[in-house]
Amino acid sequence: AQKITQTQPGMFVQEKEAVTLDCTYDTSDPSYGLFWYKQPSSGEMIFLIYQGSYDQQNATEGRYSLNFQKARKSANLVISASQLGDSAMYFCAMILIYNQGGKLIFGQGTELSVKP
Amino acid sequence: DAGVIQSPRHEVTEMGQEVTLRCKPISGHNSLFWYRQTMMRGLELLIYFNNNVPIDDSGMPEDRFSAKMPNASFSTLKIQPSEPRDSAVYFCASSSGTGGETQYFGPGTRLLVL
Repeated sequence: AQKITQTQPGMFVQEKEAVTLDCTYDTSDPSYGLFWYKQPSSGEMIFLIYQGSYDQQNATEGRYSLNFQKARKSANLVISASQLGDSAMYFCAMILIYNQGGKLIFGQGTELSVKP
Repeated sequence: DAGVIQSPRHEVTEMGQEVTLRCKPISGHNSLFWYRQTMMRGLELLIYFNNNVPIDDSGMPEDRFSAKMPNASFSTLKIQPSEPRDSAVYFCASSSGTGGETQYFGPGTRLLVL
C-alpha cells in the first residue's frame, strides 16, 4: 500500500537559517508525484512545490527546494532563509499518476516553528 | 483569479441535522476533490469527480455522506443525519486533471456537530 511518512512531529529553526523537513514515501508504482503543502494556523492548505518521479532535477520554487532521492524514497523539503511567516504545519503528499487517479495521500505533517 | 471557494466557512449544528457543504472549483479545472481533516486520521480523500462524474467514492465514510456535482462550477457534500464524529475540517480542492496535476485547496469548512 502507498504511504507517506513524516517522522518529525515538530521542528524549530532560527529565523534566517535553513531547515529540512523529512518525508519518505512507499510505493511500487513507477509513476508518481510528490507535493508539499503548507497549512498556517488560519487553516488553508497552500501548495508549495511538486516533484515528478521522472524528473531528473530537484524542484525549486523560490526559497523552497525539494531534495528528491529516489533510491531512498525520500522527498525532503528544504526552506532556505526561514522567516517568521514560515511557522506552520507542512504536509508531504503523494499521488499515483496512472493508478488511483487523483487521490493525494498525505503524511501526518510536521509543525515548524521559526524563532526570532 | 479566484481560488477554490467554499461555504460556509464555519458550521455548528446539532446531531441529527442535515449539513450541506458547498464548493466552487477554479474556473477551467475539470477535477474536484473532497477531503476531510481530523486530528486522528489526518487528511483523507472522501470522493473526487472528473468532468462532473464521480470517479472514486471509496473514502466516503458511510451512507450518511453523499456528494454531487451538477455542473462544472459547483459541488455539494451532504451529511444526513450528522453525528458528533463528523466534526472535522472539510476541504474542497480542484485541479486541471487526474494525472498528477497540482490540486489547489479551498479555505475549508470547519464543522462542529454537537
